[in-house]
Amino acid sequence: GDSVTQMEGPVTLSEEAFLTINCTYTATGYPSLFWYVQYPGEGLQLLLKATKADDKGSNKGFEATYRKETTSFHLEKGSVQVSDSAVYFCALKKINAGKSTFGDGTTLTVKP
Amino acid sequence: ETGVTQTPRHLVMGMTNKKSLKCEQHLGHNAMYWYKQSAKKPLELMFVYSLEERVENNSVPSRFSPECPNSSHLFLHLHTLQPEDSALYLCASSQDDGVSNSPLHFGNGTRLTVT
Repeated sequence: GDSVTQMEGPVTLSEEAFLTINCTYTATGYPSLFWYVQYPGEGLQLLLKATKADDKGSNKGFEATYRKETTSFHLEKGSVQVSDSAVYFCALKKINAGKSTFGDGTTLTVKP
Repeated sequence: ETGVTQTPRHLVMGMTNKKSLKCEQHLGHNAMYWYKQSAKKPLELMFVYSLEERVENNSVPSRFSPECPNSSHLFLHLHTLQPEDSALYLCASSQDDGVSNSPLHFGNGTRLTVT
C-alpha cells in the first residue's frame, strides 16, 4: 500500500537557521503531495502542495519540490522564525482514493 | 463562520457516559473525515464519508459510531469508552470531484479525556 516516511524529530534550530525536513513516499499511480502544519492547540492546516512531478509548492517562505525520480518531497525554509515552531506532516493523496496517507509528523522547535 | 468547526473543544467523560462530537463545515465540500490523534502515535483515519455515504471504516471499535446527516455535518457518537480512547479527535473535509486532488481542511479538534 501507499506510505509516507518523514525524517524523525524532534528538530531544534536557532532562529534564522536553514530548515530541511525530509519526506519520501511510496505510491502507485500519480499522487499529489502535501505538507501540513499543526500549531499547538490547533488542527492541521495546509502549508503547500504539488500535484505533479517537478512542481514546486511554496508558501510563507517554505518550499518543496515533487521529485518523482527520488520519490521525495522535502520541505525547506531558508531562515526559520520562532513562530515556525510546530509539527509538520507530509502527506499524499490520489484522485478518488477517498483518503490521504500521512507521515508520522516532525516536531520543529525554533529557539530565539 | 468559515472553515471547519468542531464542538466541544474539550470533553471529559466517564467510561459509562454517552456523548457526541460535532463537526460542521462551511466550505461546500462533499467529503468529511474523522481522524484520531494520540500522543506519540501516527494520525489514524477512522471514518470517511463521501456524499453522505460512509466509504471507509478503518476497523474502528463499535463504541465509536459516526453519523453524517448531510454534507455539512458530521457527528461521532461515543459510548462506553476506554481510557485509551483519550486523544484529540479531528474532523476534516475536502472537495472530491474526480479530477483534482484537493487538500484536507481540518477543524481544531476535540480534546477527549476518558476517566
